[in-house]
Amino acid sequence: AQSVTQLGSHVSVSEGALVLLRCNYSSSVPPYLFWYVQYPNQGLQLLLKYTTGATLVKGINGFEAEFKKSETSFHLTKPSAHMSDAAEYFCAVSDRWGGADGLTFGKGTHLIIQP
Amino acid sequence: ETGVTQSPTHLIKTRGQQVTLRCSSQSGHNTVSWYQQALGQGPQFIFQYYREEENGRGNFPPRFSGLQFPNYSSELNVNALELDDSALYLCASSLRRENSPLHFGNGTRLTVT
Repeated sequence: AQSVTQLGSHVSVSEGALVLLRCNYSSSVPPYLFWYVQYPNQGLQLLLKYTTGATLVKGINGFEAEFKKSETSFHLTKPSAHMSDAAEYFCAVSDRWGGADGLTFGKGTHLIIQP
Repeated sequence: ETGVTQSPTHLIKTRGQQVTLRCSSQSGHNTVSWYQQALGQGPQFIFQYYREEENGRGNFPPRFSGLQFPNYSSELNVNALELDDSALYLCASSLRRENSPLHFGNGTRLTVT
């Protein structure tokens, strides 16, 4: 069975500071990994995904994540936070594309941007 | 390109009642998945439909059922509503091929009293 752990239900950073959101996963097979963002009263928007190949993945809005198999991690980073980044962020894992078993999501991290 | 749309946006039901939530997939998408997101939690996979048949299911009881129609629109039906069914229900559509991401709708907020 797969699982996702997101460390820190709330993360607060100053505008312009580095954003680091942590995600660790467990999977019995090489995983597909995702980061989604959710703004209030909206659905989820895909930020980036890891399937195979390059372990450093770049996404939208300046975010990137690095797949580290030895650490079973897929942490999300952004060099400089912007006020518009304030939202809920979810890490998710799937053991096969197509998702017939669905994505397994973490509980989410609420990102707060201090002016 | 039309995105994923869900209706209604909000719904209040009484315990024991039945509810139907609707989803219109993004144009051209042939696969639809439903997720339940309780307050303060991540989404949980309910089931997935492809070619009008359920082809994957999460840990949800049979009173959660669905339909997918030939135009790829979809319904989620929940019978015998319980208080714990109060949640945001998200529909996501995709193509059944490698690297086709899920496109989520804005969800239906269901409150069971």
